[in-house]
Amino acid sequence: EAGVAQSPRYKIIEKRQSVAFWCNPISGHATLYWYQQILGQGPKLLIQFQNNGVVDDSQLPKDRFSAERLKGVDSTLKIQPAKLEDSAVYLCASSLDGEGTYNSPLHFGNGTRLTVT
Amino acid sequence: AQSVTQLDSQVPVFEEAPVELRCNYSSSVSVYLFWYVQYPNQGLQLLLKYLSGSTLVKGINGFEAEFNKSQTSFHLRKPSVHISDTAEYFCAVSNSGGYQKVTFGTGTKLQVIP
Repeated sequence: EAGVAQSPRYKIIEKRQSVAFWCNPISGHATLYWYQQILGQGPKLLIQFQNNGVVDDSQLPKDRFSAERLKGVDSTLKIQPAKLEDSAVYLCASSLDGEGTYNSPLHFGNGTRLTVT
Repeated sequence: AQSVTQLDSQVPVFEEAPVELRCNYSSSVSVYLFWYVQYPNQGLQLLLKYLSGSTLVKGINGFEAEFNKSQTSFHLRKPSVHISDTAEYFCAVSNSGGYQKVTFGTGTKLQVIP
């Protein structure tokens, strides 16, 4: 099966600019996650979708970050305006899980490395 | 709330030597436990998972982990490491109620020395 696709792989922007990341999950996967991985740290969940609905966005800085999942498939994550501390790798993952099932592992894309200067 | 602690940020080990990467978790409910590996410039890949049953879990690439409920630990082991095992390893915990929420530890960098 095709894996989780993310683009772009790398992005360099200046602070206060905007940026968008795209993710295409594995076909049929109900749940989609966006994680932020700062250098030297573990992935931190930003937002989790179940089909096209948000089930957890408690750690998403909503004043500057937004995300949507169109028709329960592809997803975009946007940052506007970017800050220096947003420099990180943004990982998209998907899993088969629906409510009540917790056995499915997460499948990750290769990530987008964002550098804010 | 759930959390994962990986006390060792880096573990150097000689090739063909055994290795143990430590993971402790905290949760007020039953959990599922996972180990993921991340190679440079790649996303995370599942190594193994504990859902229920036998406390000794075998994964890919010769890795295994043992779930210890009394010590709230899920340490990862390999009897003989290879150069290709050089990577970062993440322990993760998933809740058993509501929508799945996966929390990751801070990771352990395994450096295999030739």
